[in-house]
Amino acid sequence: DTAVSQTPKYLVTQMGNDKSIKCEQNLGHDTMYWYKQDSKKFLKIMFSYNNKELIINETVPNRFSPKSPDKAHLNLHINSLELGDSAVYFCASSQDPLPQGETQYFGPGTRLLVL
Amino acid sequence: GESVGLHLPTLSVQEGDNSIINCAYSNSASDYFIWYKQESGKGPQFIIDIRSNMDKRQGQRVTVLLNKTVKHLSLQIAATQPGDSAVYFCAENKGSSYKLIFGSGTRLLVRP
Repeated sequence: DTAVSQTPKYLVTQMGNDKSIKCEQNLGHDTMYWYKQDSKKFLKIMFSYNNKELIINETVPNRFSPKSPDKAHLNLHINSLELGDSAVYFCASSQDPLPQGETQYFGPGTRLLVL
Repeated sequence: GESVGLHLPTLSVQEGDNSIINCAYSNSASDYFIWYKQESGKGPQFIIDIRSNMDKRQGQRVTVLLNKTVKHLSLQIAATQPGDSAVYFCAENKGSSYKLIFGSGTRLLVRP
């Protein structure tokens, strides 16, 4: 009965590869997010979708492409992986987007290591 | 620019004592604030939130205080327990934005 799930939990890959991270929520929420947490624990928003529509697109290299096939899923595809992409990526969801102030529920994270 | 920061990167407290984690924010237009707890190897977990029309809000063993005059937010944990050991983040939202901006985090260590 996991609320927000991500796969894989760990991802180790070579520089230059293309990889995807998947996220699913079973909370019936309309809004989903991708965050990146660096080695210093700093957490920063990357993307957000509301009802499958992109509403946040931060200054992220265009090697990163989110895709929301339906409201319950938000995937993140990364092309041409670089060393600096190594981080923990968190998916989150909320019933509605801010500024309504809905609580965001986070997944367990995907630990990406680029070698 | 916008920033949310914390005064103490690591806080060590004795089990049973009260803990106070502080956060400073720079955007006076922010009107919604949240505290998250992140345990090792897990995602952030919502603890408590507060809107700018309030200066105090209480939950179970936790209290959030907001001082808009000095742009300061604090999280008080009563009778700190070993299970409270984690990294705590404050986050802010400005009413016209979709984004939640996180602070840099404070690690709370509870000594037995």
